[in-house]
Amino acid sequence: QQPVQSPQAVILREGEDAVINCSSSKALYSVHWYRQKHGEAPVFLMILLKGGEQKGHEKISASFNEKKQQSSLYLTASQLSYSGTYFCGTEVLDSSASKIIFGSGTRLSIRP
Amino acid sequence: KAGVTQTPRYLIKTRGQQVTLSCSPISGHRSVSWYQQTPGQGLQFLFEYFSETQRNKGNFPGRFSGRQFSNSRSEMNVSTLELGDSALYLCASRDFYEQYFGPGTRLTVT
Repeated sequence: QQPVQSPQAVILREGEDAVINCSSSKALYSVHWYRQKHGEAPVFLMILLKGGEQKGHEKISASFNEKKQQSSLYLTASQLSYSGTYFCGTEVLDSSASKIIFGSGTRLSIRP
Repeated sequence: KAGVTQTPRYLIKTRGQQVTLSCSPISGHRSVSWYQQTPGQGLQFLFEYFSETQRNKGNFPGRFSGRQFSNSRSEMNVSTLELGDSALYLCASRDFYEQYFGPGTRLTVT
């Protein structure tokens, strides 16, 4: 039930691009993306809703393929501040109510 | 608006004791979810409350319980603490779409 994230870790140089993938075996209501820095709580980045609507960060984009139950987060022209662990949270229906289940995370390191 | 607040921020308990953690959601948010985060298991969903009712729960033993008050503030309780309960406990509040996390309570069980 837990979504699968890939890659598990990636190292970039400042200015490079990265793609983080998230896939689920269950039908999804929405996909949520968070970034967590060491010792801090996860910070909301973006939510992608069924039907294509997105709400969130200005400089980070994402896609959501409802049929394939997959989402990808695109980090372009990465900055040092982008370092951290990225989590996707997939919202699924369970016992007539939805819940958000998180993947194991993708650790992103940005080097100058 | 103020963010999600959690108290206490740090806690040290002994095996067998019980603990109560508190969460105040963002003003106007009626949904509060709790998560356990550990290095080995990642972010694990504990339960969600909405308008004082538990709407959903994860796969945790009955020692983990929670409640929500009429002002949307929530508490979670862990009874008979075990060493494996050491973790960061995160509360998250939600309006319709976005879910925002609080800073967490770091629980250490010795």
